[in-house]
Amino acid sequence: AAGVIQSPRHLIKEKRETATLKCYPIPRHDTVYWYQQGPGQDPQFLISFYEKMQSDKGSIPDRFSAQQFSDYHSELNMSSLELGDSALYFCASRWTSGGLRGEQYFGPGTRLTVT
Amino acid sequence: GDSVTQMEGPVTLSEEAFLTINCTYTATGYPSLFWYVQYPGEGLQLLLKATKADDKGSNKGFEATYRKETTSFHLEKGSVQVSDSAVYFCALTNNDYKLSFGAGTTVTVRA
Repeated sequence: AAGVIQSPRHLIKEKRETATLKCYPIPRHDTVYWYQQGPGQDPQFLISFYEKMQSDKGSIPDRFSAQQFSDYHSELNMSSLELGDSALYFCASRWTSGGLRGEQYFGPGTRLTVT
Repeated sequence: GDSVTQMEGPVTLSEEAFLTINCTYTATGYPSLFWYVQYPGEGLQLLLKATKADDKGSNKGFEATYRKETTSFHLEKGSVQVSDSAVYFCALTNNDYKLSFGAGTTVTVRA
C-alpha cells in the first residue's frame, strides 16, 4: 500500500540558511500534519492543513511557514535556520472522511542537521 | 490542555519476559488513544488504537485497554522478542487534529 512520502530524507544546512521539506500524503488523504522531534524527545505538533487550508497550529516558530497545494502535498519552509532546528521532521496524513478519528499515518521523516 | 504521561524508561527485558508500559492521560471529553512505535532510525508506526472506553486495541501480540475510570491506556505484551526493541509512544487526539504524545519509553529486549 502507498505510504506517506517525505523528501529529502536527510538535509544538512548551515545556520541562517533556508530549507524546504516536502510531504506527499497517502492518496485520498486530505489532511496533512507536521511534527518536529528533537533528539531524545517526543514529537511536537507544528501545523496541520485540511483541504489546503490551515486547520491547526502548534509550536511552530515564526521563521517557519507551510502550505498545502492543490494536489494535497505539503511543504514546510524554514528560514534563518538555527542550530536548535536540528531535528527529525515528520509529516503525517489522514483521510478525514473515512479514517478512524485521529488516525494519522506517518512518513519516514526528514532528518535536518543545521551546522 | 490535553497531555499524556508515560512510564519513564529505559526498560530492559529478557526475551519472553512480560512487558508493561504505563500511560495515563489528561483530556476533556472522549479522546482517541494510540500507541506508536519507533524502531531505530525509522519513523513512527501506529501499533494499536482505541476510540472509546473499554475498547481494547491489539496488534502483533501487544494489547492496551482504554480505561476511562483511571484515564489509562497501558501497553502490555506477554512475551517480548528482540525485535520488539524500540521506542514506544502513547498518544491521544481529542479534536480530530493534532496528536499529543507522551515522552516515549525506550525498550531493549536482550536475547
